Amino acid sequence: GEDVEQSLFLSVREGDSSVINCTYTDSSSTYLYWYKQEPGAGLQLLTYIFSNMDMKQDQRLTVLLNKKDKHLSLRIADTQTGDSAIYFCAESIGGGFKTIFGAGTRLFVKA
Amino acid sequence: NAGVMQNPRHLVRRRGQEARLRCSPMKGHSHVYWYRQLPEEGLKFMVYLQKENIIDESGMPKERFSAEFPKEGPSILRIQQVVRGDSAAYFCASSPPGTAHTGELFFGEGSRLTVL
Repeated sequence: GEDVEQSLFLSVREGDSSVINCTYTDSSSTYLYWYKQEPGAGLQLLTYIFSNMDMKQDQRLTVLLNKKDKHLSLRIADTQTGDSAIYFCAESIGGGFKTIFGAGTRLFVKA
Repeated sequence: NAGVMQNPRHLVRRRGQEARLRCSPMKGHSHVYWYRQLPEEGLKFMVYLQKENIIDESGMPKERFSAEFPKEGPSILRIQQVVRGDSAAYFCASSPPGTAHTGELFFGEGSRLTVL
């Protein structure tokens, strides 16, 4: 089936690292994504990882993929108040023509 | 290069009325997707269209909902005889041809439908 699960809330202090976790079900997913949604806005792609990769780093963002356990994580180093948003995990299925999203993790950053 | 444009941003309808939501994809994009976001929930896939074709409508409710992407003009998501449960944010996303394999989507800011 098609299902992406992630925890709903995460609260961290400014300057700490944030780790947002996600599990997905479709082992044939080619790409996995992290999108960010700020209040009242649409989603923006933060980063994505190809399914044959274990890790991808992009400045303060680190994505880890455990394909065996179908587990994806996003680590944000030195979290800032501007990082407060909803982070969606997503997977592409059906040859990439359909993207399935999790419910989103609301990240609260305390100053 | 303008992004994905959705209108109206906010729409209020009474039960039983019709709602029409429009989406103009980014220039050069030929793939359009509609998602629904219910309050405090994630995005649920509704439909994937290319010009004049519905490719995947597995997420569309069987009744009252329809979508089109004509040769000219924006994509339209139409909800007939709206009910309170249709109140949600409806997001349109687009992608260019040739990148469907990476699946990167470019989202509009959403249309927020409130049914009274």
